[in-house]
Amino acid sequence: GENVEQHPSTLSVQEGDSAVIKCTYSDSASNYFPWYKQELGKRPQLIIDIRSNVGEKKDQRIAVTLNKTAKHFSLHITETQPEDSAVYFCAASSIRYGNNRLAFGKGNQVVVIP
Amino acid sequence: NAGVTQTPKFQVLKTGQSMTLQCAQDMNHNSMYWYRQDPGMGLRLIYYSASEGTTDKGEVPNGYNVSRLNKREFSLRLESAAPSQTSVYFCASSEQQGNGNSPLHFGNGTRLTVT
Repeated sequence: GENVEQHPSTLSVQEGDSAVIKCTYSDSASNYFPWYKQELGKRPQLIIDIRSNVGEKKDQRIAVTLNKTAKHFSLHITETQPEDSAVYFCAASSIRYGNNRLAFGKGNQVVVIP
Repeated sequence: NAGVTQTPKFQVLKTGQSMTLQCAQDMNHNSMYWYRQDPGMGLRLIYYSASEGTTDKGEVPNGYNVSRLNKREFSLRLESAAPSQTSVYFCASSEQQGNGNSPLHFGNGTRLTVT
């Protein structure tokens, strides 16, 4: 099945700086790439997603970029704030394994230092 | 509009006991899912139901069974609980129609401990 890897596992940034998390995927047929944010003790919640026909998508302080050739996609958070501290999960979905059957990465802990 | 509701929130079982985790969604979504979350392992798919009347195995189905009772409800059953099933379980749903992909909406989770 699809294999999704996230790097780095933990990222510490100063408040106001930018944070970038990169994910790689294995299946070239993957066509949907969402990012979920999970605060401590809470449920994962979608923050942004991108489809394979688009190279970049932005929503206020967050953006996602997709490089299909290299099979990686990245989450960019600008002007980080303490409330951005959370675990972020990337995922990928390939029509080869069933629509909307997401394979998740293991997560990145982002710590924003005030 | 409650979204995805899971019960119970917490449960402690002894090895060999059985239980059913309940999940209901009020968003008229077609697809429903059960994931487990373990430290350092991310979210792993146990079973999913692409539409009412169908269920399929995910990545880690052993030791579990599911029932898609109707469009709203999708339950997960542990017939004989094992310590390895200690985890946080999340139910999710998505609109999912045809060949498109749509976001998952998660419930608040069930924290299960098997002793």
